[in-house]
Amino acid sequence: NAGVTQTPKFRVLKTGQSMTLLCAQDMNHEYMYWYRQDPGMGLRLIHYSVGEGTTAKGEVPDGYNVSRLKKQNFLLGLESAAPSQTSVYFCASSYGLADYNEQFFGPGTRLTVL
Amino acid sequence: AQKITQTQPGMFVQEKEAVTLDCTYDTSDPSYGLFWYKQPSSGEMIFLIYQGSYDQQNATEGRYSLNFQKARKSANLVISASQLGDSAMYFCAMREGWAGNQFYFGTGTSLTVIP
Repeated sequence: NAGVTQTPKFRVLKTGQSMTLLCAQDMNHEYMYWYRQDPGMGLRLIHYSVGEGTTAKGEVPDGYNVSRLKKQNFLLGLESAAPSQTSVYFCASSYGLADYNEQFFGPGTRLTVL
Repeated sequence: AQKITQTQPGMFVQEKEAVTLDCTYDTSDPSYGLFWYKQPSSGEMIFLIYQGSYDQQNATEGRYSLNFQKARKSANLVISASQLGDSAMYFCAMREGWAGNQFYFGTGTSLTVIP
């Protein structure tokens, strides 16, 4: 099993460009999440999904959109990238709703917006 | 208010010694889960240990144990017999309630193990 994978691993964008980050999991998890990690701020939740076809906003959703067309995939889109979106992006998935269901993380995507 | 607070930005420990990383949490939900993750310099997030709010005993996983003090709302991670490979960022996280959709993370503690 590959677990949680993210594509791409690194990306450099110019201000105003768009891109999509792909997250895929092969564990049949219902719940998927997108976080950003910035120095000194830990992980902040951008958007999450509790099942195929559903998405919800997290703590810092502005400037991002997501889609969950297939259960195994969760896409994060930046329509018009800004330097403030330079960050490391992590995708995670979780099996269920129980409080003991931990999250499994992907390896991260390092995004730089110039 | 912060859901998870980690007050130690950086910690140092001598190899083979024990170290405690602090974590306090804030919730009014009687049911919640507490997690610790390790993030080495390579960047991946590694799950270490889980403690449920109703668990009577402190969780242990090998050299990791969680010192759970419910009344104080603290969930400190104890690493015994530190190894050089323990040098990493450590994050405390919480998931509220049986239907909690979100995880809340602290800002992390950077641990350096000194030979």
